[in-house]
Amino acid sequence: QLQLQESGPGLVKASETLSLICTVSGGSISSSSYYWGWIRQPPGKGLEWIGSIYYSGSTYYNPSLKSRVTISADTPKNQFSLKVSSVTAADMAVYYCARLAAPSGLHWGQGTLVAVSS
Amino acid sequence: QTVVTQEPSFSVSPGGTVTLTCGLSSGSVSTSYYPTWCQQTPGQAPRTLIYSTNTRSSGVPDRFSGSILGNKAALTITGAQADDESDYYCVLYLGSGIWVFGGGTKLTVL
Repeated sequence: QLQLQESGPGLVKASETLSLICTVSGGSISSSSYYWGWIRQPPGKGLEWIGSIYYSGSTYYNPSLKSRVTISADTPKNQFSLKVSSVTAADMAVYYCARLAAPSGLHWGQGTLVAVSS
Repeated sequence: QTVVTQEPSFSVSPGGTVTLTCGLSSGSVSTSYYPTWCQQTPGQAPRTLIYSTNTRSSGVPDRFSGSILGNKAALTITGAQADDESDYYCVLYLGSGIWVFGGGTKLTVL
């Protein structure tokens, strides 16, 4: 049974870097044909795809966030991570990690709330 | 910038049928975009109901179905129940590793 679990600080100071890790169990992030990605949801708003890393290591980002976002993978630990630099109040959201595959949809983590303090 | 359009809100009576749609700001939605529908209840993580246009995820009741209607992807709920009251999001795969979400539809069952 595939499971994804987000972890990281629940509070980040404005202008600093938000860092989250997604730990995957029940499946390998090296499995072919899957993307491993991050999606966020500000309070009371909709879902926004942030970016993904392919099993090969290639990364893809939402153009609106690309300049501030880095996604990387740690294959031995079966984890992938998200960094968002220069955060502002607009980055406060529930952050979800997910496995994405065009033919088989999205498999979601439970999400973690990140607040931004001034 | 590609925008995925969804009805902001919809209402259906218990036992009724409702169809939510997912369109593109420019162009038509086809199976090549592998439309996915996700359901989210307040305070919970989303879950995938339908993927690849019309394939139900494991455990999803057959009252949920997906299709292409005209130039849009569609999610139809037949025989709506009270616990179907949720937010529904469409997700499209644009290719080259890029996904985009619609703004979501808030479904009320009353």
